[in-house]
Amino acid sequence: ATQMTQSPSSLSASVGDRVTITCRASQDIRNDLGWYQQKPGKAPKLLIYAASRLQRGVPSRFSGSGSGTDFTLTISSLQPEDFATYYCLQDNNYPYTFGQGTKLVIK
Amino acid sequence: EVQVVESGGGLVKPGGSLRLSCVVSGFTFSSYSMNWVRQAPGKGLEWVSSINSGSDYINYADSVKGRFTISRDNAKNALYLQMNSLRAEDTAVYYCASAGGDYWGQGTLVTVSS
Repeated sequence: ATQMTQSPSSLSASVGDRVTITCRASQDIRNDLGWYQQKPGKAPKLLIYAASRLQRGVPSRFSGSGSGTDFTLTISSLQPEDFATYYCLQDNNYPYTFGQGTKLVIK
Repeated sequence: EVQVVESGGGLVKPGGSLRLSCVVSGFTFSSYSMNWVRQAPGKGLEWVSSINSGSDYINYADSVKGRFTISRDNAKNALYLQMNSLRAEDTAVYYCASAGGDYWGQGTLVTVSS
């Protein structure tokens, strides 16, 4: 199974900050990676698909990059509504695997 | 408007069974592969199972293989998860989600406890 190593596990930041979250795959997954945002008690929400494509309706401050084994989610200027938990998901091969999650908290 | 609604969760004893359902509207269900994803209390997300549009390509996580069965009825826009031989570690919110992650339900809670 492809392991997804996500870091950091938690991140403290302020409104307006630029933040970066990374996921590393244990094998080449091409660009078959998505990034999700989850708020407490809610379903995950797709932000980025195919590693770098912005899902419709998602603000442009979110961006994704990478291919192969190394991927990055960047939020260019944090807004209050961005404090949440973020997950990467590889859907290149079964079993699909999520990263462990990054909890983004207000500093 | 897209709607994805799961049902069928509840409290069940270890070794028991439950059948989850997911009914969708607002998108062409029959064209989409579908997934079940779960989240144990306070934990991360775990992919459980996938089924393609024609039900001829099915996959399971090792943790549920041989105990869970995914199925779908395209005429009813419905996805199912039959869960047998349930264990305490199956306790989670179970989400129905379209392949690609565009559409998710609100989740249904399954609690396995004596």
